Amino acid sequence: EIVLTQSPGTLSLSPGERATLSCRASQSVGSLYLAWYQQKFGQSPRLLIYGTSSRATGIPDRFTGSGSGTDFTLTISRLEPEDFAVYYCHHYSRSLPWTFGQGTKVEIK
Amino acid sequence: QVQLQESGPGLVKPSETLSLICTVSGESMDNYYWNWIRQSPGKGLEWIGYVFHTGTTHYNPSLTSRVTISVDTSKSQFSLSLASVSAADTAVYYCARASFEPTLRFFDSWGQGTLVTVSS
Repeated sequence: EIVLTQSPGTLSLSPGERATLSCRASQSVGSLYLAWYQQKFGQSPRLLIYGTSSRATGIPDRFTGSGSGTDFTLTISRLEPEDFAVYYCHHYSRSLPWTFGQGTKVEIK
Repeated sequence: QVQLQESGPGLVKPSETLSLICTVSGESMDNYYWNWIRQSPGKGLEWIGYVFHTGTTHYNPSLTSRVTISVDTSKSQFSLSLASVSAADTAVYYCARASFEPTLRFFDSWGQGTLVTVSS
């Protein structure tokens, strides 16, 4: 099983600041097989990024994904009030089971 | 645009079987993996397993002895059965869709989720 470890657990930032979220895999994940989701309280997760760096439909360009191998990053260039949420990385490679990171909470400082 | 909706009992007794249905609307079930994912209160996401529209399944090894996922394309539904539940199975259960294409097997559509509590 590929274990995804996200850091930090909580990120306290102000609107307008830059957020950098990390996702580290226990073994190499092909760059085509890493996604990021945003989850707000009481809602289902929403797909943000797939294939490491491709934005899903309707996702603003302040969200950027990058990385390769075992290290991946989600960057939010300038936090908007609606961006405060929990973010999960997820691998969907051929190596089942598919797994998620434990999440990074981005909270208002 | 596809929509998914979970349904089923919100309360299940310990040792009994949890049963949920996901109804798919707006698009065909063909050529997609149909998934169940759960989230325990205050915790992260756990993939339970999937069923392909042909009926092929794959389960998370952590749950495989207790899980059955099946599909009924004539009703545009797929279902989850989890046997011998305990309090540790209390969670919000989501159904979600993933493409057949290997590089597109992220979860692009999700149901709203349904809370299932295991308690006597």
